[in-house]
Amino acid sequence: DTAVSQTPKYLVTQMGNDKSIKCEQNLGHDTMYWYKQDSKKFLKIMFSYNNKELIINETVPNRFSPKSPDKAHLNLHINSLELGDSAVYFCASSQDPGGLAKNIQYFGAGTRLSVL
Amino acid sequence: EDKVVQSPLSLVVHEGDTVTLNCSYEVTNFRSLLWYKQEKKAPTFLFMLTSSGIEKKSGRLSSILDKKELFSILNITATQTGDSAIYLCAVATGNQFYFGTGTSLTVIP
Repeated sequence: DTAVSQTPKYLVTQMGNDKSIKCEQNLGHDTMYWYKQDSKKFLKIMFSYNNKELIINETVPNRFSPKSPDKAHLNLHINSLELGDSAVYFCASSQDPGGLAKNIQYFGAGTRLSVL
Repeated sequence: EDKVVQSPLSLVVHEGDTVTLNCSYEVTNFRSLLWYKQEKKAPTFLFMLTSSGIEKKSGRLSSILDKKELFSILNITATQTGDSAIYLCAVATGNQFYFGTGTSLTVIP
């Protein structure tokens, strides 16, 4: 069973469209994250949710809106897509939000978004 | 501002060589430092370090943390082509993880 699963794996779309990426974890973790990895492979956090509540919201355009219907799901909706949004988006989960020493993040396989 | 810096950014070696990857950090409320290996898809966990001077080892890979000098190293001995990947360092603080830019390692046969 896949611990953290993201869909879709690939997403090709036109500028200006609205798209969503879904993430689900079956690890029973309380915290979920969205990261963006750009062409230089830098992994940058976008959002973090703990028990369905937003705890981290880094400087990302408000076109990006995360939604957590329950603690096992964290979806990412992107409005009015732009060329610069092209990247690989990773979902991850951990038992706690980085606060405890015994804490590891598990990553999904990533969603490669290409905006044309 | 919290930050994690890795060096070198990229490295090309021959099979059998030994490599050392570096990770330095400046964060408030340090909790742990983690190393990940990223091949084509998701980063996969290698080590978690919380205490200074205690080496973690897994096969040909080992890592150690220096909390006084605020850095960690990841060593890979007798490198193989399968070690080619991006190695990511992350630091966990009170409420999140900070990732470095990664070191891209290429092992040539």
